[in-house]
Amino acid sequence: NAGVTQTPKFRVLKTGQSMTLLCAQDMNHEYMYWYRQDPGMGLRLIHYSVGEGTTAKGEVPDGYNVSRLKKQNFLLGLESAAPSQTSVYFCASSYASLGERELQETQYFGPGTRLLVL
Amino acid sequence: RKEVEQDPGPFNVPEGATVAFNCTYSNSASQSFFWYRQDCRKEPKLLMSVYSSGNEDGRFTAQLNRASQYISLLIRDSKLSDSATYLCVVKDTGFQKLVFGTGTRLLVSP
Repeated sequence: NAGVTQTPKFRVLKTGQSMTLLCAQDMNHEYMYWYRQDPGMGLRLIHYSVGEGTTAKGEVPDGYNVSRLKKQNFLLGLESAAPSQTSVYFCASSYASLGERELQETQYFGPGTRLLVL
Repeated sequence: RKEVEQDPGPFNVPEGATVAFNCTYSNSASQSFFWYRQDCRKEPKLLMSVYSSGNEDGRFTAQLNRASQYISLLIRDSKLSDSATYLCVVKDTGFQKLVFGTGTRLLVSP
């Protein structure tokens, strides 16, 4: 199993450009998440999804949109990139089914996408 | 006040040392607690869950004090490979929303 994969690994954008970050997981997880990590801020939740076709806002959703058309994929879009969106973006996934608690609550992260907006 | 607070460090210790990290959380209704490990320029990975009775995994011991809203991680016999950032993570009630601390950096030297 590849686990959680993210593409691209690194990207440089100019202010106002758009892009889509792709997250894919092969663990049949119901839940998927997008986080951003900035120095001194910790990981912050942008958007999340509890299943195919459903998405919800997290802590810092402004400037981002997401889609979950297939269970294994979760896309994060930036419609008009701003320098404030320079960050490392992590995707994660987890089980939702009842069962052993640690198995249910553990989030598995992708390797991250480093985004620089000039 | 941040929901989860940690001393950012870095903690510089020699190999073989014992080191302890602390973390406090603000939401008394928080249900679950974890320590994640993050290596430089890598993704976070679950190190261990933290149970009310305290738990141990090899050289690592985690403890929870709900009354003081305090979590700790003890690493015994530090190895060079323990050098990383340790993230204190708290799960709020309801949906599986994790709240991450900013992390404590550990540097183990020969």
